[in-house]
Amino acid sequence: AQSVSQHNHHVILSEAASLELGCNYSYGGTVNLFWYVQYPGQHLQLLLKYFSGDPLVKGIKGFEAEFIKSKFSFNLRKPSVQWSDTAEYFCAVLFGGGGNKLTFGTGTQLKVEL
Amino acid sequence: DTGVSQDPRHKITKRGQNVTFRCDPISEHNRLYWYRQTLGQGPEFLTYFQNEAQLEKSRLLSDRFSAERPKGSFSTLEIQRTEQGDSAMYLCASSLLSAAGGSQEQFFGPGTRLTVL
Repeated sequence: AQSVSQHNHHVILSEAASLELGCNYSYGGTVNLFWYVQYPGQHLQLLLKYFSGDPLVKGIKGFEAEFIKSKFSFNLRKPSVQWSDTAEYFCAVLFGGGGNKLTFGTGTQLKVEL
Repeated sequence: DTGVSQDPRHKITKRGQNVTFRCDPISEHNRLYWYRQTLGQGPEFLTYFQNEAQLEKSRLLSDRFSAERPKGSFSTLEIQRTEQGDSAMYLCASSLLSAAGGSQEQFFGPGTRLTVL
């Protein structure tokens, strides 16, 4: 079955530390890839997306992600986190390119300490 | 605010009762999705509409669940004879199917939190 894995369930960082959250999926075909963020008390918001082209994509708030097809990965990165980045981060995949339903990972809870 | 809206935001009901949730998508979006999210999990797909047609339903959607989008605008999700296991956040999302036929990103609403006692 097609699935999405996020290996880090809870991450605690100090402000200014670098962030990398892992995301892997199980499918060898065309995929569209997304990272969503859910700040406390708010709804899911899109951070960034990859459909095609440059595998290094930049999103909002200084986040970026790299699609590595050979590793079936789409890891999220930020060079220097802020306290306001405290949130839950979800990797999501549309399998098959023109697929219709997002398959989400279980999420990573990020806490940034001052 | 022109985002996706959901009503109600919270619903507490007793086991065996019926509940109905409403979702209003972004106005020009022709696709509408329902997801369910339980604690510690990512959202799980339930069903989706393209305009008024319900095109796919997950096996998670038992016979007690029904969704409609009668005029291709807002949608309702009804759960009959609720069970405690139905307690979850029910999320609605919408997207625009591009002219080229490709999927675009989905925009999510704030969700309806259902608690079944």
